[in-house]
Amino acid sequence: NAGVMQNPRHLVRRRGQEARLRCSPMKGHSHVYWYRQLPEEGLKFMVYLQKENIIDESGMPKERFSAEFPKEGPSILRIQQVVRGDSAAYFCASSPAAGPTTFYGYTFGSGTRLTVV
Amino acid sequence: RKEVEQDPGPFNVPEGATVAFNCTYSNSASQSFFWYRQDCRKEPKLLMSVYSSGNEDGRFTAQLNRASQYISLLIRDSKLSDSATYLCVVRGFGNEKLTFGTGTRLTIIP
Repeated sequence: NAGVMQNPRHLVRRRGQEARLRCSPMKGHSHVYWYRQLPEEGLKFMVYLQKENIIDESGMPKERFSAEFPKEGPSILRIQQVVRGDSAAYFCASSPAAGPTTFYGYTFGSGTRLTVV
Repeated sequence: RKEVEQDPGPFNVPEGATVAFNCTYSNSASQSFFWYRQDCRKEPKLLMSVYSSGNEDGRFTAQLNRASQYISLLIRDSKLSDSATYLCVVRGFGNEKLTFGTGTRLTIIP
């Protein structure tokens, strides 16, 4: 059973270009979460999605960032017109449907390291 | 005030020693608590959940004090492979979002 798969592992973009980060959840998982880790900082929640629905996007910057989790295919985190401050590690995690008493933490993918030059 | 606060360290500890990390959280409604470890340039990996009754997994012991909003992790007989950053993580009630501390860096010295 493959874990959470993210690609690409490394992505270099020039300022003003678009970055598309992909995340395939573990088999049977219907919840996907995106986190960002800036250099020397902790992970910060960005967005929580279920298939075809954005459940919580309270951590997403208001502009240039969007996320989707279509019925078929991976979840995509899209950053338009990237700036140097977007350089970070972007981690995706997935979990099965969970209730208040059945949450055991979730498993992260190996991340995408975005460098904006 | 940060939602989850940890001493950033670094902690440089000789092999075989016991080391303790502490963490405090600000939201009294927080429901679930975890320790993750993160190796350099890798993803965070779940180390253990933390329960009010305290729990142990081999050389690792975690404790939660809800009244003080305080979480701890104790590592006994430390190994070189324990060198990593340890992340204190909290989940709110009815909320799938995890809030991470900035981590405590541990280096075990031979």
